[in-house]
Amino acid sequence: AQKVTQAQTEISVVEKEDVTLDCVYETRDTTYYLFWYKQPPSGELVFLIRRNSFDEQNEISGRYSWNFQKSTSSFNFTITASQVVDSAVYFCALSEGEGGGFKTIFGAGTRLFVKA
Amino acid sequence: GAVVSQHPSRVICKSGTSVKIECRSLDFQATTMFWYRQFPKQSLMLMATSNEGSKATYEQGVEKDKFLINHASLTLSTLTVTSAHPEDSSFYICSAKPGTGFEDIQYFGAGTRLSVL
Repeated sequence: AQKVTQAQTEISVVEKEDVTLDCVYETRDTTYYLFWYKQPPSGELVFLIRRNSFDEQNEISGRYSWNFQKSTSSFNFTITASQVVDSAVYFCALSEGEGGGFKTIFGAGTRLFVKA
Repeated sequence: GAVVSQHPSRVICKSGTSVKIECRSLDFQATTMFWYRQFPKQSLMLMATSNEGSKATYEQGVEKDKFLINHASLTLSTLTVTSAHPEDSSFYICSAKPGTGFEDIQYFGAGTRLSVL
């Protein structure tokens, strides 16, 4: 069975603080993909990153960075020097192959508030 | 990046009427489209998977006669909520991906907020 856990329901930070959003997943497949999406107040989900299960290299994109650790089944997302525009709901998602019915499962989301 | 257009963004209708929501991929051919429903402060719940030229695959508990899906072309899928009732009020989101692989990125529309009076 697939499962994606985002234990942090809401996080509130002050602008310029760093913040890490946690994502823990469960899967029995050896081949899978992990995603992060951002959903701003407007509602449209925006793709941020995709990582396959064989690539544990961390990635940095501007103020965003991702830490993928298979040993702990985690794919955490860090925003450095947060800004008000980062306020949104962030979803972690897991996509499996045949073992998961080729479906994508989304976590419950973490709502991030960045205050000026 | 890939763009998915969803229309309308908001609709208010009377109980018993039907509502059609369109989802278009603007700059790529979408072999597969998905329809989700999202309740306030909750995650996305997959309703159905739509493949061009074939019948949609509905998730357990989703009434296919209630939520009609038509994927008529590689760029258009429609969701029709038939005989809508207040409990159908929700935020509906579509997504599309260019291939059929589970590795493919889903590109999302902006969503449709349905309010049934």
